[in-house]
Amino acid sequence: GQQLNQSPQSMFIQEGEDVSMNCTSSSIFNTWLWYKQDPGEGPVLLIALYKAGELTSNGRLTAQFGITRKDSFLNISASIPSDVGIYFCAGPNTGKLIFGQGTTLQVKP
Amino acid sequence: DTGVSQDPRHKITKRGQNVTFRCDPISEHNRLYWYRQTLGQGPEFLTYFQNEAQLEKSRLLSDRFSAERPKGSFSTLEIQRTEQGDSAMYLCASSQWASGPGNEQFFGPGTRLTVL
Repeated sequence: GQQLNQSPQSMFIQEGEDVSMNCTSSSIFNTWLWYKQDPGEGPVLLIALYKAGELTSNGRLTAQFGITRKDSFLNISASIPSDVGIYFCAGPNTGKLIFGQGTTLQVKP
Repeated sequence: DTGVSQDPRHKITKRGQNVTFRCDPISEHNRLYWYRQTLGQGPEFLTYFQNEAQLEKSRLLSDRFSAERPKGSFSTLEIQRTEQGDSAMYLCASSQWASGPGNEQFFGPGTRLTVL
């Protein structure tokens, strides 16, 4: 079945640094979604991408839909302590979402 | 409407007991989804409804699991004869499905189940 692989698995950065993470798939997706999850809470939708090559921003977050439709990237600029959490990519498959394993971000003040 | 809500937020039960969780979706959303998440993993799909019809069930959904959405609004997920392996976060999501792009799923806060 379809699988999404996220890298890196975890990151530990200094406040103010930029962050980049990616998500790759063995098959094509027509939509890419990026979620953030805080401990003990449900995932919160950050950005949705619908078109190959699309670049979309949400505040300090920017995400790109890869040209091959098999990958997507999420960048966070000027990180702050509240960026701490787990970031998941997800793609739809017949209605349901397939999730990656997540990238855990820790920010040192 | 403030989003997807789930009740309870936490449930501790003994092995062999039955548990039931409730999900209230965003009111105008016609699709409702259940996922399960274990530590260190992304959410895994269990089942979903469009209005009151259950359209797909994962192989993860054993015969001890049953979900309903009787009036196309809230949904319940019941686990019978719980096992320790059922311990997980159970997440509910909803979306307003239409053909074409879109259909983002919005998640509730989850129900954390611990089976002793």
